[in-house]
Amino acid sequence: GESVGLHLPTLSVQEGDNSIINCAYSNSASDYFIWYKQESGKGPQFIIDIRSNMDKRQGQRVTVLLNKTVKHLSLQIAATQPGDSAVYFCAGNQAGTALIFGKGTTLSVSS
Amino acid sequence: GAVVSQHPSWVICKSGTSVKIECRSLDFQATTMFWYRQFPKQSLMLMATSNEGSKATYEQGVEKDKFLINHASLTLSTLTVTSAHPEDSSFYICSARDIGYEQYFGPGTRLTVT
Repeated sequence: GESVGLHLPTLSVQEGDNSIINCAYSNSASDYFIWYKQESGKGPQFIIDIRSNMDKRQGQRVTVLLNKTVKHLSLQIAATQPGDSAVYFCAGNQAGTALIFGKGTTLSVSS
Repeated sequence: GAVVSQHPSWVICKSGTSVKIECRSLDFQATTMFWYRQFPKQSLMLMATSNEGSKATYEQGVEKDKFLINHASLTLSTLTVTSAHPEDSSFYICSARDIGYEQYFGPGTRLTVT
């Protein structure tokens, strides 16, 4: 079945630095991926998504890269701010099925 | 954007009692709703998928008789935790999807069983 995971459980950066959070997936049939941000005690908050027919998508201060060859995606956050501190999850699915979540990376931003 | 609400946001119940959690899509019709469970410092684990008017599909290892799901309308799904035990204490999160790909998540319900 689908399996989505992240490479590192924690990431610590300085305010203003760029952050890169990585994720690997196992199901080559997955065609839709999302990055979520979750703050303590709250539900997941949508950040950015990407479909499998794309390899890059940019939002405000965030970029998602998808490498289907190695089944890897990453989330890049530019000029990281203290408010970006949270747990970040990648999730993927196939053809509208339920999203399957990876383990999560805790991003800590120090000022 | 689409909004999904959950009620209650937190609940404390005694062991052996049942608790019902509601999930509502406020500004769209949700053909499918999903229920996830999240233990502290862990990821969201899919429990079940429910489609309006039909029986829910449970993931492997999730007891359907313990976690009763009802999706009676296109805007409401309920999860009832029956005969709750302390190990059922968790953060329960629902999500709803319309005809597109994107799932919209609720704010979650914190259940504590004493």
